[in-house]
Amino acid sequence: EAGVAQSPRYKIIEKRQSVAFWCNPISGHATLYWYQQILGQGPKLLIQFQNNGVVDDSQLPKDRFSAERLKGVDSTLKIQPAKLEDSAVYLCASSLTSPHQPQHFGDGTRLSIL
Amino acid sequence: GENVEQHPSTLSVQEGDSAVIKCTYSDSASNYFPWYKQELGKGPQLIIDIRSNVGEKKDQRIAVTLNKTAKHFSLHITETQPEDSAVYFCAARNTGNQFYFGTGTSLTVIP
Repeated sequence: EAGVAQSPRYKIIEKRQSVAFWCNPISGHATLYWYQQILGQGPKLLIQFQNNGVVDDSQLPKDRFSAERLKGVDSTLKIQPAKLEDSAVYLCASSLTSPHQPQHFGDGTRLSIL
Repeated sequence: GENVEQHPSTLSVQEGDSAVIKCTYSDSASNYFPWYKQELGKGPQLIIDIRSNVGEKKDQRIAVTLNKTAKHFSLHITETQPEDSAVYFCAARNTGNQFYFGTGTSLTVIP
């Protein structure tokens, strides 16, 4: 099966600019996650979708980050305006909804803020 | 929320030796514990997982043990090979289907 697709792979922007990331999950996976992985740390959940509804966005900095999954398939994550501390890899993952189903990760977007 | 701690942060072993990575979790309701291997420039890849109603699971050279009472679980890699070198993450999933990750262990297998 095709894996989780993410684009772009790399992005370099200046602080205060905006940026958007795209994720296409594995077909049939109703649950979609966005994670932030700062260098040397484990992934930190930003937002979790079940179909097109938000399950958890408690760790999403809502003053600058937003995410949507309008048709319950693809998702976009946006940062506006970007800060230096947003430099990280942004990972998308998807899973089936049934209990004990593993997450499948994309290779992420590496964001560098100048 | 859940808090997952992982040790050690770095681990070097000789090829052929065993490697053990340990994690503890705080939420006794967590019910699913996957382990991921992350290579440079790649996303985490699931290597083994265990459910809360199982104490041990093995898949060839990789095994995971879970002690629910003590709230800790461990990854065991036997007969290590250079291609096992990577960063390994443990995770715990709570009843809300949210995953919490450890801080990672950088494993180096010395040929």
